[in-house]
Amino acid sequence: QSALTQPPSASGSPGQSVTISCTGTSSDVGAYEYVSWYQQHPGKAPKLMIYEVNKRPSGVPDRFSGSKSGNTASLTVSGLQAEDEADYYCNSFAGSHNYVFGTGTEVTVL
Amino acid sequence: EVQLVESGGGLVQPGGSLRLSCAASGFTFSNYLMNWVRQVPGKGLVCVSRIYNDGSSTDYADSVKGRFTISRDNAKNTLYLQMHSLRVDDTAVYYCVRDSDYRLDVWGQGTTVTVSS
Repeated sequence: QSALTQPPSASGSPGQSVTISCTGTSSDVGAYEYVSWYQQHPGKAPKLMIYEVNKRPSGVPDRFSGSKSGNTASLTVSGLQAEDEADYYCNSFAGSHNYVFGTGTEVTVL
Repeated sequence: EVQLVESGGGLVQPGGSLRLSCAASGFTFSNYLMNWVRQVPGKGLVCVSRIYNDGSSTDYADSVKGRFTISRDNAKNTLYLQMHSLRVDDTAVYYCVRDSDYRLDVWGQGTTVTVSS
């Protein structure tokens, strides 16, 4: 199973929006509504930010939103804040009890 | 507080073995599928193995199939990963992760495995 494709980096100024894409195939992202997104700060464990394409766990700011079209999912962070600077990984269920992660995107707040 | 605490990482020579443990607390462990996810320093996340809540089914990444064994003891609220024939490219931080209806919602702090001679 190949990793989902994400851009290596993305950036925006405080208050702006940034959107990260996550491209898979018809066997993973395109096949299931089980796309999730994780935020990871340096030296820390990943944290669930979005699940089932566009749902936010309790405690995650509504500045974080997700969507999906075909084989590509997206995460948008609106109203960028300094604490949003982190690595972001998408994840999709890929059938047969498997998950596949994205390659990761480093978000920089300028 | 819902918590996962890994242990058992360390330095091991190529070809050696290691057993990781993950102690769960604050939730009904036996109700959840569990995963081991690893991350090579500076690299991305990879799902290594997954086990059903009752241990009846397990899955492995191709890279570890035949060398790693996932198991759990629901009476002790503990998840395990037995690793044999370790290779240099198994060097990574290993995370224990709760699987809640296709979302990986609780992560441990990770334990570091270093395979080196």
